[in-house]
Amino acid sequence: EAQVTQNPRYLITVTGKKLTVTCSQNMNHEYMSWYRQDPGLGLRQIYYSMNVEVTDKGDVPEGYKVSRKEKRNFPLILESPSPNQTSLYFCASSLAGAAAGETQYFGPGTRLLVL
Amino acid sequence: GENVEQHPSTLSVQEGDSAVIKCTYSDSASNYFPWYKQELGKRPQLIIDIRSNVGEKKDQRIAVTLNKTAKHFSLHITETQPEDSAVYFCAPLNTGFQKLVFGTGTRLLVSP
Repeated sequence: EAQVTQNPRYLITVTGKKLTVTCSQNMNHEYMSWYRQDPGLGLRQIYYSMNVEVTDKGDVPEGYKVSRKEKRNFPLILESPSPNQTSLYFCASSLAGAAAGETQYFGPGTRLLVL
Repeated sequence: GENVEQHPSTLSVQEGDSAVIKCTYSDSASNYFPWYKQELGKRPQLIIDIRSNVGEKKDQRIAVTLNKTAKHFSLHITETQPEDSAVYFCAPLNTGFQKLVFGTGTRLLVSP
């Protein structure tokens, strides 16, 4: 089944404790991205990747890192989480990238609480 | 970069009524105009999209219309049903760029 998966789905952590949220897709998509969703602010892009080893900042990259060592995986890293990073996070992928106007396929979301 | 505004932010209708959500964008080079639906606790999913060479597209009860001159496009839902209750997002795109900007969302509530 074609899908985007994220782990963990729920996470409670404390300020400053490094964490990684994994994202994987099995559709051979080139474009992958991370979003955070906060009430009243919609979906805001954190980072995106056009292909392996190619990543770039979205609108809200501060406090986050990403890597794209393999085409299928695009982990989101919070080196030192802070309470303002409490949010719902979505990973998404698309076939030929946003530049081709392709449909974005979203993962199920990761709800993060930073105490 | 693209500035995107969606209106209204919330919309309440009675079952069977029509609903219209408008998305205004700033980049005149935008050429791809999708609408995503996010049900409560679920992920966003594409429901309809249109490209800049088309003025209107319809899929059963939903339609999207595009006004490139005025730089806005709208989602139309006819004969609304309770299962249409969700948050709807637009994400106009200039396919010359890779960044994606979503609207802030419209919460549609359809009452039986």
